[in-house]
Amino acid sequence: GAGVSQSPSNKVTEKGKDVELRCDPISGHTALYWYRQSLGQGLEFLIYFQGNSAPDKSGLPSDRFSAERTGGSVSTLTIQRTQQEDSAVYLCASSYVSGGYGYTFGSGTRLTVV
Amino acid sequence: AQTVTQSQPEMSVQEAETVTLSCTYDTSESNYYLFWYKQPPSRQMILVIRQEAYKQQNATENRFSVNFQKAAKSFSLKISDSQLGDTAMYFCAFIPNSGNTPLVFGKGTRLSVIA
Repeated sequence: GAGVSQSPSNKVTEKGKDVELRCDPISGHTALYWYRQSLGQGLEFLIYFQGNSAPDKSGLPSDRFSAERTGGSVSTLTIQRTQQEDSAVYLCASSYVSGGYGYTFGSGTRLTVV
Repeated sequence: AQTVTQSQPEMSVQEAETVTLSCTYDTSESNYYLFWYKQPPSRQMILVIRQEAYKQQNATENRFSVNFQKAAKSFSLKISDSQLGDTAMYFCAFIPNSGNTPLVFGKGTRLSVIA
């Protein structure tokens, strides 16, 4: 597609429920990244996928967070047993191999846990 | 590990004036890229400008320019002729040339352009 697409745009969920956030990267971009942005804060790296290599999961804050990327394209970030501190904007980005030309970001999913 | 520091949480500037946002970074890499991203209230991250560390010439994009001081590990953004639409969060970011690590972002500077 022309840009990085994320869905849903907004999600309100009850504490303890599981949520899935979707990211559809730009066609041809081999790398895909997930970041979390808490209210008024910077971007916290979560996970990234590069081609067929094993993902770099070093930024995932707990084992309640997981992500997969199917067919080298669409990615899903799953948060199990959501907590109030998970409330944030989740941003997805994609890039060519090295990222030296920067990333293209989606508009994010605002997750609110009540 | 690489770190990026933006020491100005908030700034304001009068419309048509010039403002400079500061950014410093720490790395042992010799070859890398630096970026400034803009995030307006729509929360869409927009790439403003990119600098290659091995190029001494400062990057410019219309009203946006950088002052890249490699020895000092400093990468400031200058916005000339500020416009109301420049009101946004601005993030400085770093990535090594190896591309094996993700972009590292500073905590951002909130810029308000006042009419």
